[in-house]
Amino acid sequence: AQKITQTQPGMFVQEKEAVTLDCTYDTSDPSYGLFWYKQPSSGEMIFLIYQGSYDQQNATEGRYSLNFQKARKSANLVISASQLGDSAMYFCAMREGPLAGGGADGLTFGKGTHLIIQP
Amino acid sequence: AAGVIQSPRHLIKEKRETATLKCYPIPRHDTVYWYQQGPGQDPQFLISFYEKMQSDKGSIPDRFSAQQFSDYHSELNMSSLELGDSALYFCASSFESAPRKTQYFGPGTRLLVL
Repeated sequence: AQKITQTQPGMFVQEKEAVTLDCTYDTSDPSYGLFWYKQPSSGEMIFLIYQGSYDQQNATEGRYSLNFQKARKSANLVISASQLGDSAMYFCAMREGPLAGGGADGLTFGKGTHLIIQP
Repeated sequence: AAGVIQSPRHLIKEKRETATLKCYPIPRHDTVYWYQQGPGQDPQFLISFYEKMQSDKGSIPDRFSAQQFSDYHSELNMSSLELGDSALYFCASSFESAPRKTQYFGPGTRLLVL
């Protein structure tokens, strides 16, 4: 079974609109971290935002926020006031296991959502 | 701020040749991860090192090996290259004691096997 599911292969959004990128995850581990990365056409992977399984509040970083619904195992990324430069692939990723001191566990990525912002 | 450095950025090899990719983590980061991203694919975790010891292992082929050195830089050695090894190879680094252990990615090495 897929550990990370991103159901939107592609999205077109008008500039200045808000956009929500979906991510659901599957784990039986009580400790995990969820990450969102942006990959522009140039190829680099840019860290956007993090949500820990024990975090009580939804994470926010500037125009990025996370709609974390633990019971539904979803961690949707919300981008407010979208800009042309937001056009990119967006990946949701998860690391399972203890956070601090738990070892260097690799991330499991979803298939990504290709977001295109239209002027 | 200093980022993860990877070299070379581009590499072209023939089938059955060997390749060595290098990664220099962000200063003070003690953990290094390697990922492989095929065309149109999501990144796949290969292997990670913490304090020069292998920490976690993913889908790394037996033809590949890696190590982390005393200065924390890491090298991914790839032998008997196959056409299917053509991909973008990322190195990421993190600080083990940080509460989130966020992995910061380098720009990647684009490997083309002919």
